[in-house]
Amino acid sequence: KAGVTQTPRYLIKTRGQQVTLSCSPISGHRSVSWYQQTPGQGLQFLFEYFSETQRNKGNFPGRFSGRQFSNSRSEMNVSTLELGDSALYLCASSSDRGRRFFGPGTRLTVL
Amino acid sequence: AQSVTQPDIHITVSEGASLELRCNYSYGATPYLFWYVQSPGQGLQLLLKYFSGDTLVQGIKGFEAEFKRSQSSFNLRKPSVHWSDAAEYFCAVGANTGGFKTIFGAGTRLFVKA
Repeated sequence: KAGVTQTPRYLIKTRGQQVTLSCSPISGHRSVSWYQQTPGQGLQFLFEYFSETQRNKGNFPGRFSGRQFSNSRSEMNVSTLELGDSALYLCASSSDRGRRFFGPGTRLTVL
Repeated sequence: AQSVTQPDIHITVSEGASLELRCNYSYGATPYLFWYVQSPGQGLQLLLKYFSGDTLVQGIKGFEAEFKRSQSSFNLRKPSVHWSDAAEYFCAVGANTGGFKTIFGAGTRLFVKA
């Protein structure tokens, strides 16, 4: 089985721009979660989607949004980028509760 | 509120020595507990997990962890560390609060010296 894939792997944007990150889960997995990893804040939960519905959400501003498609692929969007949004964004998929498989992440740099 | 504490920011051990990484959690009910490893430039890989049953859990790469409810701890151990174990290790608790989410500790970076 192919693992979780994330595109792009690296991204450079400037302040004020918006960005969309993509995550393709493992085939058959219906849950996709997103995490932000920064040196200062560690790993923080953004949101979780299950069968196209947002099931849970972390404490991030409304600039961070996401969606999930009928094929379970998920996208995460960040609008009006700030310097502090520079981070590694990880996506994880799961078929049962708790057992998450992580993708390699998208490294976002905001200049 | 649920929380996970990894008190050691970094640890250095000699190759072949034993390892213990500490993790304490705060959660009202019986938690789901996990240890993940992240090698440089890689995503997170699950080492082991505890849901219920035997409190000593065996994982991949020779790692094990013990759930101690009385101490709210889930420490990760390995009897003999290899240089390839150098990575960052994250303890996490699964919380079922109107949807399932995983809360991570801040991580412990492991350095292995020859």
